[in-house]
Amino acid sequence: KQEVTQIPAALSVPEGENLVLNCSFTDSAIYNLQWFRQDPGKGLTSLLLIQSSQREQTSGRLNASLDKSSGRSTLYIAASQPGDSATYLCAVRPGSGGGADGLTFGKGTHLIIQP
Amino acid sequence: DAGVIQSPRHEVTEMGQEVTLRCKPISGHDYLFWYRQTMMRGLELLIYFNNNVPIDDSGMPEDRFSAKMPNASFSTLKIQPSEPRDSAVYFCASSRRGGGDTQYFGPGTRLTVL
Repeated sequence: KQEVTQIPAALSVPEGENLVLNCSFTDSAIYNLQWFRQDPGKGLTSLLLIQSSQREQTSGRLNASLDKSSGRSTLYIAASQPGDSATYLCAVRPGSGGGADGLTFGKGTHLIIQP
Repeated sequence: DAGVIQSPRHEVTEMGQEVTLRCKPISGHDYLFWYRQTMMRGLELLIYFNNNVPIDDSGMPEDRFSAKMPNASFSTLKIQPSEPRDSAVYFCASSRRGGGDTQYFGPGTRLTVL
């Protein structure tokens, strides 16, 4: 059974710092990996999706990398801002059939950017 | 597009009552997913549909839970009878294709069972 772990569970940094959020998964047979952002009381917003054949994806100040063989992904946030404060979730989609289209989520990293 | 729409946003009910959660996916999306989020277990897939047909319901916790998708624009998740341990936030998501496309999430329904 696929398990997704996110480290750290919580992080508080001053504004302007660059930071890295980590995600690891136990089964490397994935179809893709997705990073989401969740604000308190809100739904999930997709940030980046990396297909299994890709190594990284970038969107603005965000960069996500994927090392499928080692079961790891990182989300890099450059020049952090107070508006980046949220919970960041990593999710993988299995690469084979039998419920393959449902995502398996980590429990998230709760990020606070101090002004 | 209005995005994925869920109703109600909040539901408070008493143990033993029937609860029905509703979802309208994004128009043109073939896949619909129901997830549940709790502090203890995080986000878990309950069931998903492809073209209105349930594909995998292995995540549905018990027979008290049922889900239907009578047409491409509407799905329900029903709990009967409800129990306090069902208290959670229930999310609906949709995507254009199953694996390669982004899943778009609704705002969720926060269910409290007293």
